[in-house]
Amino acid sequence: AQTVTQSQPEMSVQEAETVTLSCTYDTSESDYYLFWYKQPPSRQMILVIRQEAYKQQNATENRFSVNFQKAAKSFSLKISDSQLGDAAMYFCAYRSAGGSEKLVFGKGTKLTVNP
Amino acid sequence: GAVVSQHPSWVICKSGTSVKIECRSLDFQATTMFWYRQFPKQSLMLMATSNEGSKATYEQGVEKDKFLINHASLTLSTLTVTSAHPEDSSFYICSASRVEDTQYFGPGTRLTVL
Repeated sequence: AQTVTQSQPEMSVQEAETVTLSCTYDTSESDYYLFWYKQPPSRQMILVIRQEAYKQQNATENRFSVNFQKAAKSFSLKISDSQLGDAAMYFCAYRSAGGSEKLVFGKGTKLTVNP
Repeated sequence: GAVVSQHPSWVICKSGTSVKIECRSLDFQATTMFWYRQFPKQSLMLMATSNEGSKATYEQGVEKDKFLINHASLTLSTLTVTSAHPEDSSFYICSASRVEDTQYFGPGTRLTVL
């Protein structure tokens, strides 16, 4: 079974600076998807970024980018120019490309942004 | 695009009553919908997966007779918590997936059982 590990329960960053959230996963599959979701205090889960495993190019969405290292099974999220609104729980998730559509979530990282 | 709504956003009920939570994909047809439960300061726990027109697939340890799921159309799934008890109090979240395999989440429903 696949597992997702987020080794940083909490992180903090100064406003306007850059922070990187770690995520590693374990799988024997070669084709899959990886996601970062953000859950602010409102508790609405918001998709931040999505990566297909077959794509070597790292996904980017404005200030959010990932460092996808397939061989190392690592999928870190970099937030540049951090804003107060980035404060939230961040969840890394894995989904198989075939078969099950379930998401396997990590335990989350709570990000605090200091003004 | 990819908006998912949930109703109600919060509900308080008496022990022994049943509560229905609706999940709708507003601007797309969802091939699959999912129901999660989230305890405070924890990650999401998948309860069941539902596909339109077929029976839901429940995760191990989830009582199917207690948590009834109906996926009536490609835009609507409902979760009914039957004979609710205080231990069922939680935050319930639904999600819906489109063809590109990304799950989009509803805003959640906070259930409090007195």
